Amino acid sequence: GAGVSQSPSNKVTEKGKDVELRCDPISGHTALYWYRQSLGQGLEFLIYFQGNSAPDKSGLPSDRFSAERTGGSVSTLTIQRTQQEDSAVYLCASSLEAVQETQYFGPGTRLLVL
Amino acid sequence: SQQGEEDPQALSIQEGENATMNCSYKTSINNLQWYRQNSGRGLVHLILIRSNEREKHSGRLRVTLDTSKKSSSLLITASRAADTASYFCATPGNQFYFGTGTSLTVIP
Repeated sequence: GAGVSQSPSNKVTEKGKDVELRCDPISGHTALYWYRQSLGQGLEFLIYFQGNSAPDKSGLPSDRFSAERTGGSVSTLTIQRTQQEDSAVYLCASSLEAVQETQYFGPGTRLLVL
Repeated sequence: SQQGEEDPQALSIQEGENATMNCSYKTSINNLQWYRQNSGRGLVHLILIRSNEREKHSGRLRVTLDTSKKSSSLLITASRAADTASYFCATPGNQFYFGTGTSLTVIP
């Protein structure tokens, strides 16, 4: 596609439910990144993929968070047993190759946990 | 932990004035990037400056880099109301570090 797409745009869920967020990177981009941004805050790095593997998972806040990427393309971020503090905008970005490259961001998924 | 820190946190200027934002970082870098964010959504890449460059221009944007001080500045000249946004510096390392951002308001 022309840019990075994310779905859903908005998600409202109840505390304790699982949610799945999807990211479609720019075609041909091998690196994919997930960030979290709470209201009025900076970006919190969660995880990045080079191809299908994740060299750095250190940013995942807890074991309730997991991510996968298949076929070197689409990635899914899953949050299990959501908590209210998980409410944030989840941003996905992709770049042509390694971490040093310019990142192209999707519009984000706004998650609200009630 | 985040490596880039911008200052000021918030800046309000009149249309037509220049806006200057600063970024400090902690470790050695290969390049430094500036991004813009509107309304808490996706970020847009503005400009990349490499560690061996001291200044770079793109339209009304001017970026400087001082690796000895581990700092960078972004200057927006002749600001417009449409420049109202949050601006972040980012330093690639073994992951991507974004600063806390400067919220710029340009008053028409």
